[in-house]
Amino acid sequence: EAGVAQSPRYKIIEKRQSVAFWCNPISGHATLYWYQQILGQGPKLLIQFQNNGVVDDSQLPKDRFSAERLKGVDSTLKIQPAKLEDSAVYLCASSLVGGLEQFFGPGTRLTVL
Amino acid sequence: GENVEQHPSTLSVQEGDSAVIKCTYSDSASNYFPWYKQELGKRPQLIIDIRSNVGEKKDQRIAVTLNKTAKHFSLHITETQPEDSAVYFCAASRSRDDKIIFGKGTRLHILP
Repeated sequence: EAGVAQSPRYKIIEKRQSVAFWCNPISGHATLYWYQQILGQGPKLLIQFQNNGVVDDSQLPKDRFSAERLKGVDSTLKIQPAKLEDSAVYLCASSLVGGLEQFFGPGTRLTVL
Repeated sequence: GENVEQHPSTLSVQEGDSAVIKCTYSDSASNYFPWYKQELGKRPQLIIDIRSNVGEKKDQRIAVTLNKTAKHFSLHITETQPEDSAVYFCAASRSRDDKIIFGKGTRLHILP
């Protein structure tokens, strides 16, 4: 069974530039999550989708971050413009509706210079 | 807001000894408590979880205990092995489909 796919795996940009990350969840998983994991900390939820609807985006910095899941499958997370403090690993996870276990992708390591 | 505190931040134990990691949570409505293991440069993976209707759960060398009254839960690893070296995260959630709040993690070192 294929796991959660993410790309790119690494990205280096300068502050004030834009960046986008892509996630493809496990087939059949209607719930998709984006997390930010700063070095030395636990993952912090940015946004949760169920199908193409947003369930929770209370911790998403909406002035610079946006995410979409237009067809209820793949998702993109965008940062525009990036700040130094956005340097982190961005993890995508998915789960079945009503499922407890979240399956994580390999993450995208973002470095903002 | 919801918060999960985890201690210690770093733990070193001799191979073969036991390791214990403790967490507390603030949201009394939390009823699902997963533990994730994250090896260096890899994704977090669920190793064990416990629901609020159970006080203890065991899976081979790993066990979790939950005290809902005190709002704390713990991970116990017995007979530790080198491959247990990783960062462990506790987490809490209110229900299925609800967001998971993670602790800051414990870096476990197994000493030869």
